[in-house]
Amino acid sequence: EAGVAQSPRYKIIEKRQSVAFWCNPISGHATLYWYQQILGQGPKLLIQFQNNGVVDDSQLPKDRFSAERLKGVDSTLKIQPAKLEDSAVYLCASSLDGQNNQPQHFGDGTRLSIL
Amino acid sequence: AQSVAQPEDQVNVAEGNPLTVKCTYSVSGNPYLFWYVQYPNRGLQFLLKYITGDNLVKGSYGFEAEFNKSQTSFHLKKPSALVSDSALYFCAVRLDDKIIFGKGTRLHILP
Repeated sequence: EAGVAQSPRYKIIEKRQSVAFWCNPISGHATLYWYQQILGQGPKLLIQFQNNGVVDDSQLPKDRFSAERLKGVDSTLKIQPAKLEDSAVYLCASSLDGQNNQPQHFGDGTRLSIL
Repeated sequence: AQSVAQPEDQVNVAEGNPLTVKCTYSVSGNPYLFWYVQYPNRGLQFLLKYITGDNLVKGSYGFEAEFNKSQTSFHLKKPSALVSDSALYFCAVRLDDKIIFGKGTRLHILP
């Protein structure tokens, strides 16, 4: 099966600019996750979707971050305006239906550098 | 509050020797436990999980993990390390639809 696809792989922007990331999960996976992975740390969940609904966005900085999954398939994560501390790898993951016992399948991430 | 600890930032093991990567957790309940591996410039890859039952769980690439409820630990093990096992390893705990990852342990297998 095809894995989780993410684009772009790398992005460099200046602070206060905006940026968007795209994710296409594994076909048939209802649950989609966006993580932020800062260098030297484990992934931190930003938002979790079940189909096109938000399950958990408690750690999403909503003043600058937004995400959508309008048709319940692919998703975009946006940052506007970007800050220096947003430099990180943004990982997208998916699972079949979000049950606690299911592993997540990760894409290769987008590495964001803020100048 | 839930937490996951990986006490070692880095573990060095000679090729052919057994390896252990440690993970302890603190949750109020019975969590699901996972190990993932991350190679450079790649996403996390699932290795194994503990749900219930036998305390020794077998996973991909010859890895296994031992669940110890009294010590709230879930250490990753492999009987004989390969150079290709060198990577970043993450322990994760999932309970009540919340997931927390440890900070990761970098494993170096020395030829």
